[in-house]
Amino acid sequence: KNEVEQSPQNLTAQEGEFITINCSYSVGISALHWLQQHPGGGIVSLFMLSSGKKKHGRLIATINIQEKHSSLHITASHPRDSAVYICAVRAITQGGSEKLVFGKGTKLTVNP
Amino acid sequence: DAGVIQSPRHEVTEMGQEVTLRCKPISGHNSLFWYRQTMMRGLELLIYFNNNVPIDDSGMPEDRFSAKMPNASFSTLKIQPSEPRDSAVYFCASSLFSNQPQHFGDGTRLSIL
Repeated sequence: KNEVEQSPQNLTAQEGEFITINCSYSVGISALHWLQQHPGGGIVSLFMLSSGKKKHGRLIATINIQEKHSSLHITASHPRDSAVYICAVRAITQGGSEKLVFGKGTKLTVNP
Repeated sequence: DAGVIQSPRHEVTEMGQEVTLRCKPISGHNSLFWYRQTMMRGLELLIYFNNNVPIDDSGMPEDRFSAKMPNASFSTLKIQPSEPRDSAVYFCASSLFSNQPQHFGDGTRLSIL
């Protein structure tokens, strides 16, 4: 089982819809990142959070440390939101160091 | 701010050749990361540096891979000898500190024939 699981793997929505992408992890973490990778390949860091909720424009990220779960929400989705969204956790290893572990990504397509 | 600059953008070479990927981090950033992305395995951290010192290279696949950071503004990832299974997109990222959001370069798409 992967340490970081994302769902769904693929998501198709109509413009304007509210979108939720989920990330569950099985390890202790110090922080969680949401990344966006556009069809051209460029990667942008959207959020880094260790508790609660963060909002940036139409994007909202939440994390529940007890449940080891995070969600990325997109309100009023737009075709330009079409991208792969990747969840990554800063996992705490047995030796006490940290390493970044990535989910496989959720491919979002927003149709006009 | 120019962002993280990687070169080359694309590299096609024959197996057995030496490949060198280059990265210039954002000025003032203390941490630099090298990642590999493939369809099968997704994004994987290969190695990261803090203040030019390699901190965690546990993701480096094998001895054919090596990374250096001779100064705060330049890093290389070298593969020698290259193999077809090394074909991937290699990303470099930098951050102010290792626990801060990372800024990614555009990646180098590497194809080993």
